[in-house]
Amino acid sequence: QVQLQESGPGLVKPSQTLSLTCTVSGGSISSGGYYWSWIRQHPGKGLEWIGYIYYSGSTYYNPSLKSRVTISVDTSKNQFSLKLSSVTAADTAVYYCARGLEDWGQGTLVTVSS
Amino acid sequence: EIVMTQSPATLSVSPGERATLSCRASQSVSSNLAWYQQKPGQAPRLLIYGASTRATGIPARFSGSGSGTEFTLTISSLQSEDFAVYYCQQYNNWPFTFGGGTKVEIK
Repeated sequence: QVQLQESGPGLVKPSQTLSLTCTVSGGSISSGGYYWSWIRQHPGKGLEWIGYIYYSGSTYYNPSLKSRVTISVDTSKNQFSLKLSSVTAADTAVYYCARGLEDWGQGTLVTVSS
Repeated sequence: EIVMTQSPATLSVSPGERATLSCRASQSVSSNLAWYQQKPGQAPRLLIYGASTRATGIPARFSGSGSGTEFTLTISSLQSEDFAVYYCQQYNNWPFTFGGGTKVEIK
């Protein structure tokens, strides 16, 4: 069964770039038919789909974040990554990576604060 | 973007009773609708996709119905482990969007 694990700094300063990596085990990230996503949840709030990268390399970003988001894949490491630039306190959230709809990482809390 | 509206915000139910959760889309999402369960400190768990297909390992007491703009998640007989927050999510149009959630609490 595929497993996903998020990693990255838990604290980011305002105006800097948030960078997270999702390591995939139990399955190849380059196998066809799946999309690989980042989703976030503000503390005590609902869920927001940030974007995803399809196995073909196509990317889809939420228009609300599009100018600040980059999702990329490193097939050699079986990882995919999220970069969110110019962060503010409003970007403080638990960030999840996911494969399709069914397989999610446990999530990682990122706090934006000086 | 498609706005998903869930009702009620909170549902108080006794163990063993039936729970019915509603989700409405601001425009048609066909049957591209998923339901998730989330417990505190955990990632959402997929329950239903395609509006009515149970995900792997999901008990038969969970069922989904609907299409277009109106959807329902039914839990036929609530067990103690079912008290949680439930989210609907459409994946028909980008960006994918979630409802605000329904908290199912013990009555």
